[in-house]
Amino acid sequence: EDQVTQSPEALRLQEGESSSLNCSYTVSGLRGLFWYRQDPGKGPEFLFTLYSAGEEKEKERLKATLTKKESFLHITAPKPEDSATYLCAVQAFQGAQKLVFGQGTRLTINP
Amino acid sequence: ETGVTQSPTHLIKTRGQQVTLRCSSQSGHNTVSWYQQALGQGPQFIFQYYREEENGRGNFPPRFSGLQFPNYSSELNVNALELDDSALYLCASSFDIMREQYFGPGTRLTVT
Repeated sequence: EDQVTQSPEALRLQEGESSSLNCSYTVSGLRGLFWYRQDPGKGPEFLFTLYSAGEEKEKERLKATLTKKESFLHITAPKPEDSATYLCAVQAFQGAQKLVFGQGTRLTINP
Repeated sequence: ETGVTQSPTHLIKTRGQQVTLRCSSQSGHNTVSWYQQALGQGPQFIFQYYREEENGRGNFPPRFSGLQFPNYSSELNVNALELDDSALYLCASSFDIMREQYFGPGTRLTVT
């Protein structure tokens, strides 16, 4: 069964303090790994799709990387507005084209 | 370009009642997926519709059912509501079944 585990569950940083969020996955044939940002009470906002090991994507202060077993979301010099829950999800080649999500990492950036 | 919209925003129902949630997909998208998100958890896949046909289903009982219309909008119906059905229900649309999914704001359902 496809599975996603994210760590840490919660992370508190000072403004400007860089860090990384981890997403470990097991999937029977990875079609894509997705990162989303979710603000409280709102729907997830699409950030990145990664398709193969070694791939990297960047957007402003965020960079996502992918290996055969895990993905990292690196946050460089974060600002308070980066505070949110970050969700990782995988999609397999076979079966329903569903997203299997991790439980998320709740990130808080203090000014 | 209009994004994914959902209605209603909030809903309070009593155990045993039935509920219908609605979703309008993003312009040009022919695939709609529904997810249930409990507080503090990641979204759980309910089912997906592609061009008006069900294209896969998660581990949810048959009292969760859906429809997709010719304009690719969609409905989620839940019968015989239980207290554990209280959650944020998310609709996501995509250009095709293999493309990234874009989520709506969700419907917060509370069952008392």
